[in-house]
Amino acid sequence: DTGVSQNPRHKITKRGQNVTFRCDPISEHNRLYWYRQTLGQGPEFLTYFQNEAQLEKSRLLSDRFSAERPKGSFSTLEIQRTEQGDSAMYLCASSLSEGDTQYFGPGTRLTVL
Amino acid sequence: DAKTTQPTSMDCAEGRAANLPCNHSTISGNEYVYWYRQIHSQGPQYIIHGLKNNETNEMASLIITEDRKSSTLILPHATLRDTAVYYCIVRSHNTDKLIFGTGTRLQVFP
Repeated sequence: DTGVSQNPRHKITKRGQNVTFRCDPISEHNRLYWYRQTLGQGPEFLTYFQNEAQLEKSRLLSDRFSAERPKGSFSTLEIQRTEQGDSAMYLCASSLSEGDTQYFGPGTRLTVL
Repeated sequence: DAKTTQPTSMDCAEGRAANLPCNHSTISGNEYVYWYRQIHSQGPQYIIHGLKNNETNEMASLIITEDRKSSTLILPHATLRDTAVYYCIVRSHNTDKLIFGTGTRLQVFP
């Protein structure tokens, strides 16, 4: 197993467009997390899933953001009507179960022009 | 989760031990100390974690003081590839979100 993978690695879009990112967790990992990281800051928690159930969402996750994990395996994060303030690195992590170590993917860097 | 305090930056000569401190004076009995690092433009990489005993793995050693109010991450023989931002995180196993600070930027020089 090669770890958590994320696609695309980079995305450039124009303001107002919709974008979708994909995360494939480590096989057999039940928990999947999304974080966002802006320049010079540490990652900030957005949301997480236990299998297909979304258990917690941060206040950072506005109505324009939606995350899904339909079959309890890969997850998608969609941002509608992107704004320049959405420019950031979007990180995905997975863990075997509650309380276990989280392993991160390489991230998707979003640039909104 | 308890707050952590780390120096903003540190330097270390290649081949020397890098000792990265972290203060977590408000840590609770059930909270673990985790260390991650992030090399430029990559995702955070897990290094090590511990509760109260010192821990060692192939990457590093974690020394936690007896009162658990501080800890030190030790990279025994730093290389240029260890240049990264190192994050110390205190985490309860009842909480599944990691709260990152701004970390310590470690620069290893030749």
